[in-house]
Amino acid sequence: AQKVTQAQTEISVVEKEDVTLDCVYETRDTTYYLFWYKQPPSGELVFLIRRNSFDEQNEISGRYSWNFQKSTSSFNFTITASQVVDSAVYFCALSDYTSGTYKYIFGTGTRLKVLA
Amino acid sequence: DTGVSQDPRHKITKRGQNVTFRCDPISEHNRLYWYRQTLGQGPEFLTYFQNEAQLEKSRLLSDRFSAERPKGSFSTLEIQRTEQGDSAMYLCASSLGGGEDYTFGSGTRLTVV
Repeated sequence: AQKVTQAQTEISVVEKEDVTLDCVYETRDTTYYLFWYKQPPSGELVFLIRRNSFDEQNEISGRYSWNFQKSTSSFNFTITASQVVDSAVYFCALSDYTSGTYKYIFGTGTRLKVLA
Repeated sequence: DTGVSQDPRHKITKRGQNVTFRCDPISEHNRLYWYRQTLGQGPEFLTYFQNEAQLEKSRLLSDRFSAERPKGSFSTLEIQRTEQGDSAMYLCASSLGGGEDYTFGSGTRLTVV
C-alpha cells in the first residue's frame, strides 16, 4: 500500500541555520508524483514542489532544495539559511492513482520552528 | 477569482446538529476533491468529483456525510448529526485534466462541542 513517512515530528532551529526535512515513501506504482506542501498557522496548504518519478534531478529554488533518490525511496527537503517566516508544518505527499483518481497520500507532517 | 474558495472558514456547532460547507473551485477546473485533516495529521482523502459526477468515496465518508456538485461548479459537503470526532479541518481542492496538480482552498475548520 502507498505510504508516506515523515519521521521528524518537530524540528527547532535558530535563524540562518540550514535544516533538512525527511520524507520516505512506499509505492508499487512505477509512475507517481511526489509533493511538498507548507501549512502556515492560517491553515492553507501552500504548494512548494511536484516531482515526477522519472525525474531524479535535484531541484533548487532560492533557499529551498529537494533531493529525490528512488534507490532509497526518499524525497528530502532542505531549507538553507532558515528564516522565522519558514516556521510552519511541512507535508510530503505521494500521488496514488490505483483507483484511476489522483488521490494524495500525505505524511503526518513535520513542524518546523525557526527561532530568531 | 484565482483560487479555491471555501466557506465558512470556521464553524462551531453543537453535537447532533447538521452542518454544510461550500467549496468554489477554480472556474475552469473540472475535478474537485474533499479532504479531512485532524489535529496532528496530514490531510486524508474523502471524495472526488469529475464535473458533477461523484466518482469515488473514501471509507472515511460515513453515511452521515454527503457531498454534491450540482452542474459541475461549486460543491457542498454536509455532515448530519455531527459528532465530536468530526472536528477537523475540511479542505477542498480542484484540478484540471490529469489531476496531478491540485490547488487547495484555505479550508473550513469545524469544531463540534
